[in-house]
Amino acid sequence: EDQVTQSPEALRLQEGESSSLNCSYTVSGLRGLFWYRQDPGKGPEFLFTLYSAGEEKEKERLKATLTKKESFLHITAPKPEDSATYLCAVQAGGSNYKLTFGKGTLLTVNP
Amino acid sequence: EAGVAQSPRYKIIEKRQSVAFWCNPISGHATLYWYQQILGQGPKLLIQFQNNGVVDDSQLPKDRFSAERLKGVDSTLKIQPAKLEDSAVYLCASSRLQGANTGELFFGEGSRLTVL
Repeated sequence: EDQVTQSPEALRLQEGESSSLNCSYTVSGLRGLFWYRQDPGKGPEFLFTLYSAGEEKEKERLKATLTKKESFLHITAPKPEDSATYLCAVQAGGSNYKLTFGKGTLLTVNP
Repeated sequence: EAGVAQSPRYKIIEKRQSVAFWCNPISGHATLYWYQQILGQGPKLLIQFQNNGVVDDSQLPKDRFSAERLKGVDSTLKIQPAKLEDSAVYLCASSRLQGANTGELFFGEGSRLTVL
């Protein structure tokens, strides 16, 4: 069974204090790993897709990286508007494109 | 481009009652998903449709949950009878056929169900 574990469960940063979120996974034949952002009371919003180890994607202050066992979401000089829950999901080969999500990391950035 | 529409946004029922949620996906999106998100958890796939057909319903509790997608567009998810543990946010998502492989799903705002 596919498993996704995210850490930490919650992270509190000061504005401008860079950090990383971790997503470790166990999947039979990774087809893709995905990062989503979820604001309170909203549905998840797609951020990135990573397909193979060594791949990196960037968007504003966010950079996602992938190894054979885990992915990191690096947040550089965060702002209060980056506060949200960040969800990681994996898609296994032959899975009918089903996404298996982790529990997420709740990020709070204080001004 | 209009997003994924869901209704109702909130519903409170007593256990053993029934409830139905409606979803209208983004126009032209072939794939539609229903996810259940319990407080503090990540979304869990309940059912996935490709046009009219069911692709995956392996995690749908079929003794109480049912879903249909009419004419490959709108979808309804029904729970009958509801249990306390069904309290959750029910998220509908859609994707283009190719989007299903990129993992780019477009989610609605969800329907929050409270079972008392």
